Amino acid sequence: AQSVTQLGSHVSVSEGALVLLRCNYSSSVPPYLFWYVQYPNQGLQLLLKYTSAATLVKGINGFEAEFKKSETSFHLTKPSAHMSDAAEYFCAVSRAGNEKLTFGTGTRLTIIP
Amino acid sequence: NAGVMQNPRHLVRRRGQEARLRCSPMKGHSHVYWYRQLPEEGLKFMVYLQKENIIDESGMPKERFSAEFPKEGPSILRIQQVVRGDSAAYFCASSRQGMNTEAFFGQGTRLTVV
Repeated sequence: AQSVTQLGSHVSVSEGALVLLRCNYSSSVPPYLFWYVQYPNQGLQLLLKYTSAATLVKGINGFEAEFKKSETSFHLTKPSAHMSDAAEYFCAVSRAGNEKLTFGTGTRLTIIP
Repeated sequence: NAGVMQNPRHLVRRRGQEARLRCSPMKGHSHVYWYRQLPEEGLKFMVYLQKENIIDESGMPKERFSAEFPKEGPSILRIQQVVRGDSAAYFCASSRQGMNTEAFFGQGTRLTVV
């Protein structure tokens, strides 16, 4: 079975500061890993995904994530936070060849002016 | 190219009534997934459908819930005899070739059972 753990249900950072959202996964097979963002009362938008190619993945809105197999981690980062980054972020995993996503419980990111 | 369309956006039902949630995938997408998001929780997989076929329903409750994706028309998630615990946001996602490729989510239907 696969699972995802997101450390910190709420994260606050100052505008312009580094954003770091943590995600650890568990998978018995090489995983596909995803980060999604959800704005209030909206659906989910894909930020980036890892599919066994480059371990450093660049996404939209200046976000990137690094796949570290030894640490079973896929943390999301952004060098400089913007007010528009305030949202809920979900990490998700799926098995290569399997279809459904298993989501973490989410991290709510607040940006302090 | 319109995105994934879900309707209604908000649905209120009394206990014991039926709820029907609709999802029209993006043009050219033949894979549809339904997820449920309970308050303060992540999304939980419910069911994966292709046209006229249920591929994986391992996340569907055994009773009262059903889903279909007919040859023509939207995918329907049907909940019979709703209870308060069914109150949640229900999201549909669609893709061309499965969730490992680019999958797009709708804005969700927020079901409230009173």
